[in-house]
Amino acid sequence: QVQLVQSGAEVKKPGASVKISCKASGYTFTNYYIHWVRQAPGQGLEWMGLVNPSGGTPTYAQKFQGRVTVTSDTSTSTVYMELSSLRSEDTAVYYCARGRGVLVAGYYDYWGQGALVTVSS
Amino acid sequence: DIQMTQSPSSLSASVGDRVTITCRASQSISRYLNWYQQKPGKAPNLLIYTTSSLQSGVPSRFSGSGSETDFTLTISSLQPEDFATFYCQQTSTTPHTFGQGTKVEIK
Repeated sequence: QVQLVQSGAEVKKPGASVKISCKASGYTFTNYYIHWVRQAPGQGLEWMGLVNPSGGTPTYAQKFQGRVTVTSDTSTSTVYMELSSLRSEDTAVYYCARGRGVLVAGYYDYWGQGALVTVSS
Repeated sequence: DIQMTQSPSSLSASVGDRVTITCRASQSISRYLNWYQQKPGKAPNLLIYTTSSLQSGVPSRFSGSGSETDFTLTISSLQPEDFATFYCQQTSTTPHTFGQGTKVEIK
């Protein structure tokens, strides 16, 4: 069965970086995009970026350009999302999700369980 | 960026009610519109993709319609397990944007 298993909760100080992993299993890793979405406490969903594990340049939301890096490791079927220069507003649950459909269009049919990142001094 | 606006932001309904949630895009997104359900503490769950296609395993009481800029999610007969927050999402262009959510509560 398809699974996306994310790394655990993190507590970081302002200005630090966090790197979250998303390990895929149950399908051919390189056949589907992986998207990153975050959700601040009590708030809605915010798309951060995507990566094609088979190669190519990741795409990021303008809001996170320069602070976010998404990479993939085909040897372990794992995608990583690193967010730098953390501030309190980055406190959120971060989800990875599998993208299905035509190129970047489509839908997210499987989601990771989420990873809570708390930014606090 | 394409802005997605859902209405209402919240609603109270009873089991058995017919519920309709609307989603409006700030520009045409063709039919690249998805609906997700999210329960507290859980990841979103895909209900409807590409406007009207029902995701496998999702009950047939959920349906979607629309095109271009105006879309609708309908629950034909609300069940106890349907109380949650629903989000629309456009994937016509990046950034893939979500509506602000509609919280469906028990009346």
